[in-house]
Amino acid sequence: EDQVTQSPEALRLQEGESSSLNCSYTVSGLRGLFWYRQDPGKGPEFLFTLYSAGEEKEKERLKATLTKKESFLHITAPKPEDSATYLCAVMGYSTLTFGKGTMLLVSP
Amino acid sequence: GAVVSQHPSWVICKSGTSVKIECRSLDFQATTMFWYRQFPKQSLMLMATSNEGSKATYEQGVEKDKFLINHASLTLSTLTVTSAHPEDSSFYICSARKYSGDEQFFGPGTRLTVL
Repeated sequence: EDQVTQSPEALRLQEGESSSLNCSYTVSGLRGLFWYRQDPGKGPEFLFTLYSAGEEKEKERLKATLTKKESFLHITAPKPEDSATYLCAVMGYSTLTFGKGTMLLVSP
Repeated sequence: GAVVSQHPSWVICKSGTSVKIECRSLDFQATTMFWYRQFPKQSLMLMATSNEGSKATYEQGVEKDKFLINHASLTLSTLTVTSAHPEDSSFYICSARKYSGDEQFFGPGTRLTVL
C-alpha cells in the first residue's frame, strides 16, 4: 500500500524566514510525485511534478526536490500570501495517494 | 491552462434526498476524471475513477449504488449522492487528467451538508 507522510503538520514562519517542508513516501513503482497548494475551502492547485531522484523544479519562491525516499518543498523568503496547506501526493500504479498536508502560516 | 469547475460550490439538503454535483474541464478534454472527498484536516480520499464512456471504478469501501458517477463526455462528469444522510456531509472535489500527462487538475470543491 502506498503511503505518504508529511511533516511538520503545521509551520509558522515570519515573512522572509526560509524553511522546508518534508514529504516521505513508500510506493510500489513511483510514476510521479506531486505537490499541490490548497487554500481553505478550495480545491488543490497544482504546483510541481517530479519523476526521478535528483530532479528539482522551481516556481517563484518555491523549489521542490526529490530523493528515492522523500521530497522537500523549500520556501525561500516567504510572504503572507504563501500561507496555505501544501499537499504531497505520489502516483504508483494508477492513482494518487495524498499526505495530510502541512499547514503553513506566514506572518507579516 | 487547465481549469476545472464544479457546480454547485455548496449545497444543503434534507436527509433522504439526492444531490448531483457537476465537474467540468473548461479548456481541455479529460479522458479520466476522479472524485475525492475530504474531511476537515484530513487528506483527500479517492472515491472513484471514471473514464469517458465507461463505468466508473470505485475504491474499496465506496458504495457504487450510493455514489453514482456518470462521465458522459470528455469535459463533464457528474457525481450523484443518492439518499443522502448526515454522514455523507463532506467536501467533495473532482479532478481531471489530460490525455497526455500525469497531473490531475482539481476543481474548487463542493461542500455538501445533509441535515
